[in-house]
Amino acid sequence: EDQVTQSPEALRLQEGESSSLNCSYTVSGLRGLFWYRQDPGKGPEFLFTLYSAGEEKEKERLKATLTKKESFLHITAPKPEDSATYLCAVPETSGSRLTFGEGTQLTVNP
Amino acid sequence: DTEVTQTPKHLVMGMTNKKSLKCEQHMGHRAMYWYKQKAKKPPELMFVYSYEKLSINESVPSRFSPECPNSSLLNLHLHALQPEDSALYLCASRRGPAYEQFFGPGTRLTVL
Repeated sequence: EDQVTQSPEALRLQEGESSSLNCSYTVSGLRGLFWYRQDPGKGPEFLFTLYSAGEEKEKERLKATLTKKESFLHITAPKPEDSATYLCAVPETSGSRLTFGEGTQLTVNP
Repeated sequence: DTEVTQTPKHLVMGMTNKKSLKCEQHMGHRAMYWYKQKAKKPPELMFVYSYEKLSINESVPSRFSPECPNSSLLNLHLHALQPEDSALYLCASRRGPAYEQFFGPGTRLTVL
C-alpha cells in the first residue's frame, strides 16, 4: 500500500526566512508526485508534477525536488501570501486514486 | 485553461432536503472525481468517473448519488444527509493516468 508522510505538520516562518517542506513516500512504482497549495475553504491549487529522481521544478519562490524516497518543497524568501497548506500526493498504479499526505500548514509572518 | 468550476459555493440544507452539486470542466479531461474534505485533513475520494462511466465508488452511502451527464459535467445528488456530512466537497478532473488532477474551488456544505 502506498504511503505518503509530510513533515513538519506546521511551520511558522518570518517573512524572508527560507525553509523546506518534506514529503516522504513509499510506493510500489512511482508514477509521479504532485504538489498542491490549498488556502482555507478553497480547493487545492496544482503547483508541480515530478516524475523522476533528480528532477526539479520552480515557480516564483517555490522549488520542488525529487529523490527516490522523498520530495522537498523549498520556499525562498517567503512572503505572507505564501501562507497556506501544502499537500503532496502520489497516484496509485492505475493512476485513478491519489494517496495524499496530511499536509504542512505554513504560516509566514510579516 | 485549467479551470474546474463548481456550483454552488455554499449550501445549507436540512436533513430531509434534496439538493445537487454541479461541476464542469472544458479541458477535455475524461476522468472526473468527487472528494469530501474535512477541516485539517486531505481530500477523501468518493467517486471516480472515467469516460462517463462510474469506475470507483469508495463505499459511499447511498444518500450521495453521482451522475455524469456528459464528458464535461458531473453532478452529486444529495438526499437525507446527516450533520456529519457537512464538509467541503471538491470536484477534480484529470487528463489521463499519472497526470495531475485539477481541483475546483469546492462547495461548502452545511447540513442542519
